[in-house]
Amino acid sequence: AQSVSQHNHHVILSEAASLELGCNYSYGGTVNLFWYVQYPGQHLQLLLKYFSGDPLVKGIKGFEAEFIKSKFSFNLRKPSVQWSDTAEYFCAVNIKGSTLGRLYFGRGTQLTVWP
Amino acid sequence: DGGITQSPKYLFRKEGQNVTLSCEQNLNHDAMYWYRQDPGQGLRLIYYSQIVNDFQKGDIAEGYSVSREKKESFPLTVTSAQKNPTAFYLCASSTDSLNSPLHFGNGTRLTVT
Repeated sequence: AQSVSQHNHHVILSEAASLELGCNYSYGGTVNLFWYVQYPGQHLQLLLKYFSGDPLVKGIKGFEAEFIKSKFSFNLRKPSVQWSDTAEYFCAVNIKGSTLGRLYFGRGTQLTVWP
Repeated sequence: DGGITQSPKYLFRKEGQNVTLSCEQNLNHDAMYWYRQDPGQGLRLIYYSQIVNDFQKGDIAEGYSVSREKKESFPLTVTSAQKNPTAFYLCASSTDSLNSPLHFGNGTRLTVT
């Protein structure tokens, strides 16, 4: 089975600090990559996705992620976090050619932002 | 509003009983999925269905069963054979198009005692 590793289980930041959440995957072939976010009490939402092309992708709410193929990584970044970014963040991988909803998820990173 | 409805939000059952979780979508999506979320483990795929009357096992299908008799509905039955049924269950759907993200329901938290 494929594996997706999120290195940080819980990240605590002050507002305006920069954020980087790590994500690595194990599959050696071509993949589609996603970051999902789950705000407290809400359902999972897509933050951003990478299918092909420019490895730096921009998502909603000022988030971006960079795909580095040689490192099998897809790290999530935000230059300045806000209290409202407090949520759980999940990295997910889809193997190209399989149904798009068939995702392998990381264990999640809980981000807490202090005002 | 289009979306995915999972009911109930909380479900309690005694060990040894089968229980069925409901998932309905009005997004006209062909594909539907069931994921299980456990603390510290992320989401894992239980079953998925790409068209009506067809479904495939995911990574942790043992102890679960599904049906897809209608496009809008994809119920999940947690059987007594599932060894650790207490979890948060998420239903999702998609068009399987590159421009269509996976839409998730709000989930059902099942507690088996």
